[in-house]
Amino acid sequence: DIQMTQSPSTLSASVGDRVTITCRASQSISSWLAWYQQKPGKAPKLLIYKASNLESGVPSRFSGSGSGTEFTLTISSLQPDDFATYYCQQYNTHNSYPWTFGQGTKVEI
Amino acid sequence: QLQLQESGPGLVKPSETLSLTCSVSGGSINSNTSFWGWIRQPPGKGLECIGSLYYGGSAYYNPSLKSRATMSLDTSKNQFSLKLTSVTATDTAVYYCARRVLGGGYDYWGQGTLVTVSS
Repeated sequence: DIQMTQSPSTLSASVGDRVTITCRASQSISSWLAWYQQKPGKAPKLLIYKASNLESGVPSRFSGSGSGTEFTLTISSLQPDDFATYYCQQYNTHNSYPWTFGQGTKVEI
Repeated sequence: QLQLQESGPGLVKPSETLSLTCSVSGGSINSNTSFWGWIRQPPGKGLECIGSLYYGGSAYYNPSLKSRATMSLDTSKNQFSLKLTSVTATDTAVYYCARRVLGGGYDYWGQGTLVTVSS
């Protein structure tokens, strides 16, 4: 399996802060990476696909970058609604199934 | 607007088979650009892909499940399903069904259903 490692595991931040979360893959996944936001008791919500493409309806303060093995999710100005857990997921090809998730980064006050 | 809804028993006994169905509305599962998947999340833990199904019937499973998982499509009912055999307490989780499009992530999810394995 391709291992996905996120850092940090927990991030303390304030409203208005710029926040960056890193995701590293154990081997190259090109740009086949997605980012999700999950709130307690809810299904994950897709934020970014193919490393840097913003999903429709997602605020522009979210952005993604990277390729190969290193990726970042940036929230340019943290809003109250952004306190949640964030996951990266690789979906390289079916040959690399399972499409593994990172362990998650909890963004808290 | 695509909507997905999981259904199935919330309690399964150890060694028995977990069976879940995902009903899809607002679009057809018979799409050559969509993958249909099951993802689970044990209480307080992270996300794990169980399997992915393509409309033509090709299925991919997480090897960690040691061949216990089977997915299938029912195009007549616009549903897809999951069977997980020989369950143990470690299979206790919220089970989500979701849709992925070619090149994208899982963009539509069901609300999730908690399945507890206990006698």
